[in-house]
Amino acid sequence: QSVLTQPPSVSGTPGQTVTISCTGSRSNIGAGYEVHWYQQLPGTAPKLLMYNSATRASGVPHRFSGSKSGASASLAITGLQAEDEATYHCQSHDTSLSGWVFGGGTKVTVL
Amino acid sequence: EVQLVQSGTEIKKPGESLKISCQGSGYTFSRYWIGWVRQMPGKGLEWMGIIFPGDADTRYSPSFQGQVTISVDESINTAYLQWNGLKASDTAMYYCARSPGPADDLTYWGQGTQVTVSS
Repeated sequence: QSVLTQPPSVSGTPGQTVTISCTGSRSNIGAGYEVHWYQQLPGTAPKLLMYNSATRASGVPHRFSGSKSGASASLAITGLQAEDEATYHCQSHDTSLSGWVFGGGTKVTVL
Repeated sequence: EVQLVQSGTEIKKPGESLKISCQGSGYTFSRYWIGWVRQMPGKGLEWMGIIFPGDADTRYSPSFQGQVTISVDESINTAYLQWNGLKASDTAMYYCARSPGPADDLTYWGQGTQVTVSS
């Protein structure tokens, strides 16, 4: 069971907007720690997509956006494209564990 | 260009020992934390531990404390993850990643090392 909670899967057709939630608690996101997002294409290592909740990593298209409020964060993909089909993981820091915590990952399917 | 290059696929038997590596290049190795992350088949990412090469400050996830050892050889820009007594449940992909700090993002990732433990 992951410390951060993500929906297992979301899907959309090309051009649609999909949103992935990441829910934490008072010992991680709710304590003010930043949230970071990673994209993992099938059979590859995760790659940093978004850091400090809302800053796109180098080379990441503008259709990806992030936000944080309270103990939750979200990643939105606006204008979904076939190449966005991947698993997305959120990550933060947890004070009780004194280290990184992850969500369980959300598989995005482009219909 | 920052790169983290991990050692290759390992197939081991239960009870055997193993040490996998992660070599950094393209940056000052001593100035950034290196963390290890486990991904079991079909599952999410799990933080195992993190080490600062500059002074070997090491922190472990409570879930992995006592189960693995993380070390570093700064002279060859390499971090290690070691097991004494592998179990079948250690079968997973293991990633190293570079981070500015224990509360920060994992900016760069290695390609992963697949470890399979089977009799």
